[in-house]
Amino acid sequence: EVQLVESGGDLVQPGGSLRLSCEASGFTFSNYWMTWVRQTPGKGLEWVANIRRDGGLQYYVDSVKGRFTISRDNAKNSLYLQLDSLRAEDTAVYYCARDDQHSTGDIYYDAFDLWGQGTMVTVSS
Amino acid sequence: AIQMTQSPSSLSASIGDRVTIICRASQDIRNDLGWYQQKPGKAPKLLIYAASSLQSGVPSRFSGSGSGTDFILTISSLQPEDFATYYCLQDYNYPRTFGQGTKVEIK
Repeated sequence: EVQLVESGGDLVQPGGSLRLSCEASGFTFSNYWMTWVRQTPGKGLEWVANIRRDGGLQYYVDSVKGRFTISRDNAKNSLYLQLDSLRAEDTAVYYCARDDQHSTGDIYYDAFDLWGQGTMVTVSS
Repeated sequence: AIQMTQSPSSLSASIGDRVTIICRASQDIRNDLGWYQQKPGKAPKLLIYAASSLQSGVPSRFSGSGSGTDFILTISSLQPEDFATYYCLQDYNYPRTFGQGTKVEIK
């Protein structure tokens, strides 16, 4: 079955750390860029970070730069998000998503066509 | 970061209605825009990419249009399963940014 399964969410104190995992199955993981998106309770969606197929390039939203690190292990079909120096405002459901990029010539379009079920991170004392 | 503004924030409609949701970008993003549907407690679902390309398996009553700064998601005949929140997402540059969402409710 083609799926993504996140894990690692937990209750953590401000300033603490957490590592989220996303295990892929049913498709060739190394062929895809991968993305993390989060959703604060009752609020909208926020793109957090993404990583190239080979793991050699990453992008982040400004609010997490220097605190979060995205990585992947293609041999284990797994995506990770290391969350450090956590703040209350990082409380959210974190989703991993596959980016099935479509291209027209040299223009690439994101298409997050497969999502995990989400994992909840709560930052509170 | 590019700001994406959706309107309306919510709307009430009846089964069979034609529904239009607008997304405006704070700068020209060509046609680098996707639309996603989200139901309560579920992950988002891709509907449209590249502003107007229908994702495989998505019903043809969904369509997208626009380029530059103004984009539209249209549901031609609203069905019971379409009651959800809809988000636009620009992928023109980093960081990617979502609109704030449009909740479609039953009238």
